[in-house]
Amino acid sequence: DIQMTQSPSSLSASVGDRVTITCQASQNINNYLNWYQHKPGRAPKLLIYDASNLETGVPSRFSGSGSGTDFTFTISSLQPEDFATYYCQQYDNIPVTFGQGTRLDIK
Amino acid sequence: VQLVESGGGLVKPGGSLRLSCAASGFTFSDYNFNWVRQAPGKGLEWVSTISSSSNYMFYADSVRGRFTVSRDNAKNSLYLQMNSLRAEDTAVYYCVRGKYCTNTYCSRRWFDPWGQGTLVTVSS
Repeated sequence: DIQMTQSPSSLSASVGDRVTITCQASQNINNYLNWYQHKPGRAPKLLIYDASNLETGVPSRFSGSGSGTDFTFTISSLQPEDFATYYCQQYDNIPVTFGQGTRLDIK
Repeated sequence: VQLVESGGGLVKPGGSLRLSCAASGFTFSDYNFNWVRQAPGKGLEWVSTISSSSNYMFYADSVRGRFTVSRDNAKNSLYLQMNSLRAEDTAVYYCVRGKYCTNTYCSRRWFDPWGQGTLVTVSS
């Protein structure tokens, strides 16, 4: 199975801050790397697919980059509605695997 | 595009439960489907995948032999039969659309959309 190592596991930040989350795969995943936002009691939401493509309707302050095994997710200027948990996911091989999540809360 | 799960509830260890997911707003039979769960205080865990024509199914090691995924394309519905339930199966279960597949290729290697989830609690 492909292991996804996501860091940090938690992060405190302020509105307007720039935030970066990293995700490392245990082997090359051919850029089949996705990022999701999850708020309590809500369905997870796709933000970025195939490492760097912004899902339709998602604000441009969200971005993704990387290739091979190392990937980065960035929020350029945090908004109040962005406080949530974020997950990376590889979809190169079955089993699909997720990172352990990054909980982003208000400083 | 909408996915609505149902069938969750409280069940005793060793018991069974069948989850359903009703899809609308797109051509259900064009897509693979998945079940993903989130145990209390834990992250997201992939549970199972079924192909668009039910040609193949995959399961996480933690549920293989106990859970069975199926679908009815005529009813735009996905199912998860859960047997021999354990306390560690307690979680919110999400129905999630996966790859788009034709006869010759698959695309869209991401999970979208997700249903709102249904809670399964295994406890005596």
